Amino acid sequence: QVQLQQSGPGLVKPSQTLSLTCAISGDSVSSNSAAWNWIRQSPSRGLEWLGRTYYRSKWYNDYAASVRSRISINPDTSKNQLSLHLSSVTPADTAVYYCARDRLLGDTQFDYWGQGTLVTVSS
Amino acid sequence: DIQMTQSPSSLSAFVGDRVNITCRASQSISSYLNWYEQKPGKAPKLLVYAASSLQSGVPSRFSGSGSETDFTLTISSLQPEDFATYYCQQSYSTPPAFGQGTKVEIK
Repeated sequence: QVQLQQSGPGLVKPSQTLSLTCAISGDSVSSNSAAWNWIRQSPSRGLEWLGRTYYRSKWYNDYAASVRSRISINPDTSKNQLSLHLSSVTPADTAVYYCARDRLLGDTQFDYWGQGTLVTVSS
Repeated sequence: DIQMTQSPSSLSAFVGDRVNITCRASQSISSYLNWYEQKPGKAPKLLVYAASSLQSGVPSRFSGSGSETDFTLTISSLQPEDFATYYCQQSYSTPPAFGQGTKVEIK
C-alpha cells in the first residue's frame, strides 16, 4: 500500500519561498513507471497541476507554465521523498498543496495522494 | 492547453436517484479521461480511469462513458456516502487539467 506523508509550514510570508516535503512509503521515488507530482487547490483556481519529477534512466522534471519561473521539484533518493519549492510567493499562492503519484506516466492517473497541506501566504 | 468543462456545477438529488455528471474537453482526448471524488477536508480519490475503467475497490454503482470530447460519470443509485464533489481530469497531454467540479448535495 502506497502512502504519501506531507510536511512543511502552513504559513509563508510574501516574497519568501514555500517549501514542502512528501515522504513516500510502499513505492520508490526512483520508480521506472511512476511519476511524482505536486497539485494545489484553491477556490479561485480549482485543482491546478504544478509539476512532476520522474526517473527514466535519468531524472526529468515537467512544470506548469504558470509557475515555471518559480518552481523546483526535487527527488531525494536517500530519504525516498520529493520536495516542492515555490519562490517569490504572493497571496495568490495560498492553497491546499497535495503530492500525488501518477502510476503510469503517459496516461496520467493520480491514484495515491498525500493528506494535503494548507499553505497561507500572509505577512 | 486542453480545457475541461463540467456540468452542472452542482446538483441536488435524493438517495436512490440516478445521477449523471458530464465533462467536455476543448479538443479530442480519445479515452484519456479520469474521474475523482473529493469529500470535505480530504484529497481527491480516483474512481474511474481511461473513461470507463473502474478503479479497484470502487463500487459498481459508479460508471464512466464517452470518448473524444464528451464524457459522463453515472451513479446508478445514489448512496449517502456519495455526497461529495466530483472532478474530471484529462490525461491526454501535459499539463493534466481538471474540470471545475460538480458538487452533489442531498435533496
